[in-house]
Amino acid sequence: GAVVSQHPSRVICKSGTSVKIECRSLDFQATTMFWYRQFPKKSLMLMATSNEGSKATYEQGVEKDKFLINHASLTLSTLTVTSAHPEDSSFYICSAGQGTFEAFFGQGTRLTVV
Amino acid sequence: DAKTTQPTSMDCAEGRAANLPCNHSTISGNEYVYWYRQIHSQGPQYIIHGLKNNETNEMASLIITEDRKSSTLILPHATLRDTAVYYCIVSMRGDMRFGAGTRLTVKP
Repeated sequence: GAVVSQHPSRVICKSGTSVKIECRSLDFQATTMFWYRQFPKKSLMLMATSNEGSKATYEQGVEKDKFLINHASLTLSTLTVTSAHPEDSSFYICSAGQGTFEAFFGQGTRLTVV
Repeated sequence: DAKTTQPTSMDCAEGRAANLPCNHSTISGNEYVYWYRQIHSQGPQYIIHGLKNNETNEMASLIITEDRKSSTLILPHATLRDTAVYYCIVSMRGDMRFGAGTRLTVKP
């Protein structure tokens, strides 16, 4: 299957700082990428849909000013957690699709806010 | 998007076939059935997907009922490394919305 890479895989930051997570499709072009978060022992929750060259579409209840998404190219989308707080600590995962929406997922980024 | 219903957990003996059911009675005509699995602390891994016909790849087989209201994922010879949470999802836009999934435990 296609390869989607996330960076970093783990990050620890201080409260009040911002953290940027990158999601890259390595061997295909993705006009649409998706961002998820996952709490311990819970399922993945879709946060937003990222479309190349346009504004992201956020799911209900997700703060767009807290979670800034940029999809500047067909192979890169970024999620910036702004003014992070301990409750933002979570596992963040992106996915990118191709063909008949065979969405492939990155390996995830574990964010810890201290 | 349609929702799915899966058993919370299942066990399977190593080397035997694992059959994971999924109900999606409200699926619409242009929605695909997808299966993913997630091993602890990793991103979900794509397994297989289908629209109407049964599908098979190197990992698994997908059996979709004629009315498309349910499906079964078959892992033909389960190994210990197949222990994971398996998610059945219906979607037509690529935005995978995950339910609780089935926790499959393969036992020696």
